[in-house]
Amino acid sequence: AQTVTQSQPEMSVQEAETVTLSCTYDTSESNYYLFWYKQPPSRQMILVIRQEAYKQQNATENRFSVNFQKAAKSFSLKISDSQLGDTAMYFCAFLNSGYALNFGKGTSLLVTP
Amino acid sequence: DVKVTQSSRYLVKRTGEKVFLECVQDMDHENMFWYRQDPGLGLRLIYFSYDVKMKEKGDIPEGYSVSREKKERFSLILESASTNQTSMYLCASSLGTSDSTDTQYFGPGTRLTVL
Repeated sequence: AQTVTQSQPEMSVQEAETVTLSCTYDTSESNYYLFWYKQPPSRQMILVIRQEAYKQQNATENRFSVNFQKAAKSFSLKISDSQLGDTAMYFCAFLNSGYALNFGKGTSLLVTP
Repeated sequence: DVKVTQSSRYLVKRTGEKVFLECVQDMDHENMFWYRQDPGLGLRLIYFSYDVKMKEKGDIPEGYSVSREKKERFSLILESASTNQTSMYLCASSLGTSDSTDTQYFGPGTRLTVL
């Protein structure tokens, strides 16, 4: 079974600063997909970014980028120019050829003024 | 934009009651999912459906059942609610192609409290 580990239960960053959220996973598959989801206090889970394992280029979405290290099974999320609206729970998730996402336990990010 | 809606944001039920949680998506997605979210445990899959009337058990199906009579609607049923089913329930849907690794889109969640 695949496991996803987020080692930072809580993090804090000041507005305009950069923060990196860590995620590691364990799998024997060679082809899979990785996701970062954001869940603000309103509870709507929102997709932040998606990475295909066969792509060497790291995915980016505006201020959000990932550092995907396939050999190390690491998938960290970097948030640049942090904004107050980035305050949320962030979940790393793994998906292989099956249907179901495997989620990490989440990292609670607080952006302070 | 994909829209996934859930019938209630907050629900309070008594032990032993039969509980229905409804989820509707408006993007003609094939796949639909029910997750349970608990602090410190992340999200765990209860059931999913890849077609009308088709369902598969997830990681924690005990005490739950599901129904998918129409493509856009996926219901989670607690046959006899218990206090340990107090939780946040999230519904999700995905497009569904020959490659099942589609992005999943989530509803706002239902906070269920069983007294």
